[in-house]
Amino acid sequence: DIVMTQSPLSLPVTPGEPASISCRSSESLLHRNGYNYLNWYLQKPGQSPQLLIYLRSNRASGVPDRFSGSGSGTYFTLQISRVEAEDVGVYYCMQGLQTPYTFGQGTKLEI
Amino acid sequence: QVQLQEPGPGLVKPSETLSLTCAVSAASISTYYWSWVRQSPGKGLEWIGYMFYSGITKYNPSLRSRAIISVDTSRNEFSLRLRSVTAADTAVYYCAKHSRLNFEGNTYEEAFDIWGQGTKVTVTS
Repeated sequence: DIVMTQSPLSLPVTPGEPASISCRSSESLLHRNGYNYLNWYLQKPGQSPQLLIYLRSNRASGVPDRFSGSGSGTYFTLQISRVEAEDVGVYYCMQGLQTPYTFGQGTKLEI
Repeated sequence: QVQLQEPGPGLVKPSETLSLTCAVSAASISTYYWSWVRQSPGKGLEWIGYMFYSGITKYNPSLRSRAIISVDTSRNEFSLRLRSVTAADTAVYYCAKHSRLNFEGNTYEEAFDIWGQGTKVTVTS
């Protein structure tokens, strides 16, 4: 199985400031089609996870442009340009390159 | 707007079979792949398996062949059965819809773009 490792596990932030979360995979997530099969999800308190980013850097429908994804191969980053109060929750990376699909352990963003 | 509806919380006895159903609205179950994902404090988010209406299924080997995912196209719903449960199977179970995103001649189906609200299952005698 591909192991996904996130850091930090806890991220205190100040509204209006930027934030960054890292995700490492134990194997390259680069598909032969040239795309990285890496997704990001946000689980807000008391809610189900919601898709934020797919294929490393593509925002899902309705996701604000303050969220961006980057990286390639085995190292990826989720960046929030200016954190807002509604961004609190746990962020997960997930690899979709091969089954079993696997998730990172989560990063809790707190204000 | 696509919605996934799961049953309320449940209790299951050790060694018995856990059964869950996910009702899909505003989308045909024959169009997309569908998965079950669970979340427990000890193991975080864990993908259980997926299915396509044609009969294609894929499971997480960690479940040691205990899981079966099936579909009822007439009711537009799919189900999970997990047999021989133990306390380690206590979790919130989510059903999820796979994406179908087109890009440069490819189709990306390896993201979960719609999730159910989750149902808490406790294994206890």
